[in-house]
Amino acid sequence: GQNIDQPTEMTATEGAIVQINCTYQTSGFNGLFWYQQHAGEAPTFLSYNVLDGLEEKGRFSSFLSRSKGYSYLLLKELQMKDSASYLCAVRDTGTGGSYIPTFGRGTSLIVHP
Amino acid sequence: GAGVSQSPSNKVTEKGKDVELRCDPISGHTALYWYRQSLGQGLEFLIYFQGNSAPDKSGLPSDRFSAERTGGSVSTLTIQRTQQEDSAVYLCASSLVGRAADTQYFGPGTRLTVL
Repeated sequence: GQNIDQPTEMTATEGAIVQINCTYQTSGFNGLFWYQQHAGEAPTFLSYNVLDGLEEKGRFSSFLSRSKGYSYLLLKELQMKDSASYLCAVRDTGTGGSYIPTFGRGTSLIVHP
Repeated sequence: GAGVSQSPSNKVTEKGKDVELRCDPISGHTALYWYRQSLGQGLEFLIYFQGNSAPDKSGLPSDRFSAERTGGSVSTLTIQRTQQEDSAVYLCASSLVGRAADTQYFGPGTRLTVL
């Protein structure tokens, strides 16, 4: 199985940059996802990393280091609407070749003026 | 087309009653997942359907939980003899083929409250 660790809560100022870290342990890594979930809503897909390096999508970027079992989500030019929970999810095919992602508990990001 | 839909959006039931939760995946998606999310917790995997293959039921917490998927489309999650600890948001997701880079699309969830 996987142990997925991410901070429970973070706060940041509008306009600033914030980095949300995620560490994981797998026996057969097969991709890492970041999702955004606003309170009372469904998670929505942000990014997918399977190779080492940085993937940039507008204000959001995601980084992966497979050797370190580490990823981060970088949010730039923070806006109030970015206040949400950010979920890290990992696919581990080490046991039976399953493609079912396992989710961390999520990081609640609060953006204040 | 339309996204993943779930019904009902909210369900309040008494302890010991059975409940059925419904999920309509995105048309053409062969993979369907059920998760539940308790307050302050991550998404807990329950069950996974992929095409005509036998479902992966490894996440079901007890034999009171079951799910079926008819015609490769709509899925129903059934909880028998509900308990208070079953109270959670039940989320359904679908993806195109259930493989590596496949993105999951989530429905709005059903909030279940067991009194």
